[in-house]
Amino acid sequence: GQNIDQPTEMTATEGAIVQINCTYQTSGFNGLFWYQQHAGEAPTFLSYNVLDGLEEKGRFSSFLSRSKGYSYLLLKELQMKDSASYLCAVRDRKELSFGAGTTVTVRA
Amino acid sequence: GAVVSQHPSWVICKSGTSVKIECRSLDFQATTMFWYRQFPKQSLMLMATSNEGSKATYEQGVEKDKFLINHASLTLSTLTVTSAHPEDSSFYICSARGGLVTSGSQYEQYFGPGTRLTVT
Repeated sequence: GQNIDQPTEMTATEGAIVQINCTYQTSGFNGLFWYQQHAGEAPTFLSYNVLDGLEEKGRFSSFLSRSKGYSYLLLKELQMKDSASYLCAVRDRKELSFGAGTTVTVRA
Repeated sequence: GAVVSQHPSWVICKSGTSVKIECRSLDFQATTMFWYRQFPKQSLMLMATSNEGSKATYEQGVEKDKFLINHASLTLSTLTVTSAHPEDSSFYICSARGGLVTSGSQYEQYFGPGTRLTVT
């Protein structure tokens, strides 16, 4: 299995930038995913990294360093609707394992 | 993207009864389905993995006789919580995947909307 760590909570102001870090330990690394989950709803896919580097998708970017077992999700121009839990998930050869999630609260 | 549905979206049942949750892949054939459970403010925990036509593989600590999984077709998997107890109250989420896992294939696993189970 994987050992996935991410901060429990983060708070930021509307319009600001927030970076959520994720570290992991795994054998047979086969991709890292970031999901957004609003309370009471299922996770929705945000980003995927399998090679080192930065993937940018609109206001959201995700970075991966496989040698360091490290990823981050960068949220820019925060909006109130971005208040949610953000899950880091790592896939090995056969399954996807999730971190505990980081609850981001966006304040006006 | 692919669509996965779950039914019911929420259910309340009495302690000791059984509850069945359905998970369907609507526009693709799901060779593998995953069942997760999520308690409040916790992450998704994988309960079991099922491949169409074969027995499910349960994660350590998950009772296979209590959580019955049937994956009878390529578009339907069911999870039955037998003799439910209040501690089984949770958010159950299924996920479906089609084909083989290969590097670089990012859109393989799709999540259903979840089922909120409350056992009284």
